[in-house]
Amino acid sequence: GENVEQHPSTLSVQEGDSAVIKCTYSDSASNYFPWYKQELGKRPQLIIDIRSNVGEKKDQRIAVTLNKTAKHFSLHITETQPEDSAVYFCAAGGSARQLTFGSGTQLTVLP
Amino acid sequence: EAQVTQNPRYLITVTGKKLTVTCSQNMNHEYMSWYRQDPGLGLRQIYYSMNVEVTDKGDVPEGYKVSRKEKRNFPLILESPSPNQTSLYFCASRMTDRGNSPLHFGNGTRLTVT
Repeated sequence: GENVEQHPSTLSVQEGDSAVIKCTYSDSASNYFPWYKQELGKRPQLIIDIRSNVGEKKDQRIAVTLNKTAKHFSLHITETQPEDSAVYFCAAGGSARQLTFGSGTQLTVLP
Repeated sequence: EAQVTQNPRYLITVTGKKLTVTCSQNMNHEYMSWYRQDPGLGLRQIYYSMNVEVTDKGDVPEGYKVSRKEKRNFPLILESPSPNQTSLYFCASRMTDRGNSPLHFGNGTRLTVT
């Protein structure tokens, strides 16, 4: 089955700096790569997703890049703000496959 | 409002006492799933259902049962809970059984088994 590895497990950045979280996946048939944000005590919520026919996708301060050849994808958050502090999960799946999640990254934005 | 509703939010029980966590969605989604979340392990899938009366094991099904008698409901049953099932549980749903549509999560159930 699919295996998703996510790094780093914890990340601290200064407010205004950029944050990058990276994930690798094992199943070359995966074609859907969502990112979820989970604030403390709350449910995971989708923040951005990308499909394999696209190399990059942006939504305001958030962007995701995908390298299908290398089987890795990354989340980029620019101009970080304290409200960006949360746990972020990547996932891989698609077609008839289940979504497999990474182990999560605790992002802390320091004021 | 479109949502996935789980109950209860918090549950403390003792080893061996059967319990059920309910999950209901009002979006007419075909696919529903249960995950458990443990520190450092991310979200691990317990069971999933692609439609009514169709269920299958995820990555960590031992000690759990599910049923899907109606499209909107997908209860998680622990016949004989044990302390290693202490965890945060999430129910989720999506439109189709294909893995390339967004998952919608419930608010979670924090279970403690003593």
